[in-house]
Formats: sequence, C-alpha cells, structure tokens
Amino acid sequence: DIVMTQTPLSLSVTPGQPASISCKSTHSLLHSNGQTYLYWYLQKPGQSPQLLIYEVSSRFSGVPDRFSGSGSGTDFTLKISRVEADDVGVYYCMQGINLPYTFGQGTKLEIQ
Amino acid sequence: EVQLLESGGGLVQPGGSLRLSCAASGFTFSSHWMHWVRQAPGKGLVWVSRINSDGSSISYVDSVKGRFSISRDNAKNTLYLQMNGLRGEDTAVYYCIRELGTLWGQGTMVIVSS
Repeated sequence: DIVMTQTPLSLSVTPGQPASISCKSTHSLLHSNGQTYLYWYLQKPGQSPQLLIYEVSSRFSGVPDRFSGSGSGTDFTLKISRVEADDVGVYYCMQGINLPYTFGQGTKLEIQ
Repeated sequence: EVQLLESGGGLVQPGGSLRLSCAASGFTFSSHWMHWVRQAPGKGLVWVSRINSDGSSISYVDSVKGRFSISRDNAKNTLYLQMNGLRGEDTAVYYCIRELGTLWGQGTMVIVSS
C-alpha cells in the first residue's frame, strides 16, 4: 500500500499569516495518463470532510483562492496564503492512484 | 438539494451484521462512482470500498475483504454497504462519498461492542 506522510501533524497560526502542510507518498502518484492523483480535504470540527484540492492543484468548487496545492511525483504541499478563523480543522491528503486509496494521518490547524 | 444521506448505523455485537444505506439526491447518481470511507473515534480517515457507476467493478481494503459487500441500486439512487462478521475495530463513522470526495454524507455511526 502507498503510505502518505503529512508534516507537521499540528500547527498553530495567527490569523492573516500563511500556513503550509507537506504530504509525501511512498510511490509516485503520477499516472501514465499524465494526471497526478493527489487530493486535499478539510474536516472542520464536528463536520464531514470536504474536498479542497483535487489532482494536486485544482481547487474544488467554492474553495477560496487562499488555498493552493502544488507538487509532483511524491512530494506535495497545501498552502493557505492568509489563514482565517474558519480554516480550523484537520487537513488530510489522499492518494487516488493505487488501491487501496490511502490518507495521510491528518494535520490539525489551530488559530493562535 | 444535492446530498447524500446515510442510515443504518447502530450498536451491534461482535460477529453481527449491519447494512448501511446511502440515499443520493439532487444529482445523477447512476453516473458516478461511489465510495465508503470510515473514521474510528478520534482517528483519521480510511478508505473502505468503491463501486463504479453500473456496479460492475468493486474494490475493498484488505481489512474488510470477505466480510463487507458494497452494492448500489441506481433505480433507487441508493448505495449500500453490507457488513458481516463485525469486529471491534470496525467501530467508526461511515461516510459515503461521491467520486473521490466531491460530495460527502453526514456519516452514520457503527459501534461494535458486547
């Protein structure tokens, strides 16, 4: 199975400041069709997860442009340009190239 | 309204069975691959199973193979997860999701305990 490793596991950010989460996979997520199947989700407290980013860098419908994804192969990053109070929760990366699909451990974002 | 609504969770004894349902509305259910993802209390997300749009392609995580069965009824816009031989480690909130997360249900809690 592909192992997804997120760092850090927690971070505390002042509103208005940037935040960055790293996600590394044990295998390349680049498919032969040219797509890279790396996804980012946010689970706000008490809620179901929601899709933020698909295929490394495409923002899902309604996701603010403060959120951006980047990376390739096995190394990926989610960046929040200016953290807001509503961004608190646990962020997960997930690979969708090989079964079983696997998630990172999650990164808990708190507001200072 | 576009939504997924899970039901069927509850308390069950080890070795018992449950069938989860996920009712889809507001979109063309039959056009989408569907998945089940679970989350044990205080833990992270785990992908459990997927089914393609017409039900002809199915996959499971190893830990549930031979015990869980995913299915769908496109006429009823409903996804199912039949869970047999339940174990304590199956205790979790079970979410149904469209594609790889474009839509999530609210989840249904399964507790396996004597």
